[in-house]
Amino acid sequence: EVQLVESGGGLVQPGGSLRLSCAASGFTFSSYSMNWVRQAPGKGLEWVSYISSSSSTIYYADSVKGRFTISRDNAKNSLYLQMNSLRAEDTAVYYCAREPRSTSCVSFDYWGQGTLVTVSS
Amino acid sequence: DIQMTQSPSSLSASVGDRVTITCRASQSISSYLNWYQQKPGKAPKLLIYAASSLQSGVPSRFSGSGSGTDFTLTISSLQPEDFATYYCQQSYSTPRVTFGQGTRLEIK
Repeated sequence: EVQLVESGGGLVQPGGSLRLSCAASGFTFSSYSMNWVRQAPGKGLEWVSYISSSSSTIYYADSVKGRFTISRDNAKNSLYLQMNSLRAEDTAVYYCAREPRSTSCVSFDYWGQGTLVTVSS
Repeated sequence: DIQMTQSPSSLSASVGDRVTITCRASQSISSYLNWYQQKPGKAPKLLIYAASSLQSGVPSRFSGSGSGTDFTLTISSLQPEDFATYYCQQSYSTPRVTFGQGTRLEIK
């Protein structure tokens, strides 16, 4: 069974840092591209960042570029999101999400349960 | 960025009803359109990919159609477990995908 389990969320002051983790199991993690998607309280979904299976290709949304860093450790079946210079508008539930292979239409077929990040003084 | 607009934003319906949700893209996205269902406090669940392909395990009462800029998600006969929020998502501009604002489906 595919499982994605996020951790690392919490309350942080504006300007602070936080590192999110996503532990993957039930599939060959090293073969899949992964993403972070966030959802502000009561709002819609926003794509945050993408990393290819080998970490060779990385992308960020303009809203987080220069402040967030995505990475992965295939040996540990883990995905990470280092978040620096956090702002109130970064407050959201952060989901890790898997992209299925062999499809021209990118979608997210498995999601974690999410971890809440609250940026507030 | 490609903007995705869903209509309606909310919808009240009864068990057994046929329901259609519309998603419009700000430019042509071919068939690079997916649909998700999200229940309160839960992660989104993929229902339809590539505009009309049913994700494995999803009931056949869900269907998708459209191409270019206009897309629809149809639920042929609403079940109690279908009351949720639905999102469309374009992947034409992958990896910078964008989502619609959501359609909340409520019990009448």
